[in-house]
Amino acid sequence: GEDVEQSLFLSVREGDSSVINCTYTDSSSTYLYWYKQEPGAGLQLLTYIFSNMDMKQDQRLTVLLNKKDKHLSLRIADTQTGDSAIYFCAGLYSSASKIIFGSGTRLSIRP
Amino acid sequence: DGGITQSPKYLFRKEGQNVTLSCEQNLNHDAMYWYRQDPGQGLRLIYYSQIVNDFQKGDIAEGYSVSREKKESFPLTVTSAQKNPTAFYLCASSARQEAGRFQPQHFGDGTRLSIL
Repeated sequence: GEDVEQSLFLSVREGDSSVINCTYTDSSSTYLYWYKQEPGAGLQLLTYIFSNMDMKQDQRLTVLLNKKDKHLSLRIADTQTGDSAIYFCAGLYSSASKIIFGSGTRLSIRP
Repeated sequence: DGGITQSPKYLFRKEGQNVTLSCEQNLNHDAMYWYRQDPGQGLRLIYYSQIVNDFQKGDIAEGYSVSREKKESFPLTVTSAQKNPTAFYLCASSARQEAGRFQPQHFGDGTRLSIL
């Protein structure tokens, strides 16, 4: 079945780059997403990538997709304190009208 | 502004009591979703609806019920049959998912349900 996995925690120094990784099992996903969740709030869509793309860049965010290894990553350049949040990767599967979410990676920023 | 409104933000339930969580959207979206979020876990789909008067069970529908009488509204009832209802509940909506088209889900700010 479909599954999406992420590491639970990541700590980076302010100003460094953050790289959040995600692996998925089902290669039939059509879109892969990154969402950000701040404390006590809902999820905010950060960016997405279509499954026929390898890379997408949007300002400080870079998404890399390795379809062979079923690996997705989100790189945040020049990480700021406002980037502290939980980041979820998720995949939309054409076999069902639903999105499968990973367990989320909590990003903390140290001075 | 267009968006999704969930209410209340905090809700307390007594043992054996049913409670209803509200979700309203003014984005003119056909599809609406309910998720449950537990600490250290991803979002799990409870129910979803792609059109008015129709809805489908998600992965963890037991102990929950929904209705979709209006396009704008998708209330979730947590029944007494749900033995572990304490969680953060998130509602989302999107345009109807179609093959080859990107239709992002927009989320409300959630309702935190606790047992007294």
